Amino acid sequence: GAVVSQHPSWVICKSGTSVKIECRSLDFQATTMFWYRQFPKQSLMLMATSNEGSKATYEQGVEKDKFLINHASLTLSTLTVTSAHPEDSSFYICSARGTISGEKLFFGSGTQLSVL
Amino acid sequence: DAKTTQPPSMDCAEGRAANLPCNHSTISGNEYVYWYRQIHSQGPQYIIHGLKNNETNEMASLIITEDRKSSTLILPHATLRDTAVYYCIGYSGNTPLVFGKGTRLSVIA
Repeated sequence: GAVVSQHPSWVICKSGTSVKIECRSLDFQATTMFWYRQFPKQSLMLMATSNEGSKATYEQGVEKDKFLINHASLTLSTLTVTSAHPEDSSFYICSARGTISGEKLFFGSGTQLSVL
Repeated sequence: DAKTTQPPSMDCAEGRAANLPCNHSTISGNEYVYWYRQIHSQGPQYIIHGLKNNETNEMASLIITEDRKSSTLILPHATLRDTAVYYCIGYSGNTPLVFGKGTRLSVIA
């Protein structure tokens, strides 16, 4: 199946700093990417949808100025958590849909963010 | 996306078939039934999907009832590595996947 690479796998940062998470589609062009967040023992919650070259669409309750999403190319989307706080600590997961995946979504391996 | 209902947890003996049920009585005609699983601290993994007919691949089989109100995912010979949360999702392909709570499958040696 299609491969989606997410980096880093885990990151620890101080409160107030910004963290960037990268999501790459390695063997297909991702026309649409999705970002999810998952708290311990909970299901995945959709944060935003991004289409290449367009502004991201955020779900209700997700602050677009805090979670900056850039989808500048067909193989790369980034999520930047700005001025991170301890309550932003979570597991962040990207997924991609594109030229060879059809309707199927393929997921990255996730990034565990811990804000101290 | 169609709302789905799954049991919160199930156990299965290693080597036996794991049958995971899903109710999706509100699924619409253009929505496929997708199954993903998530092993602890990893991203979800695609397993299988179907519309009306039963489907089989190298990972699992999917049995969909004729009225499409429910389905069963079958892992024919469960191994310890199949321990995960399994998600059944109604999905038409035009929107993001919306995850419910899924079924936590524990495969026991």
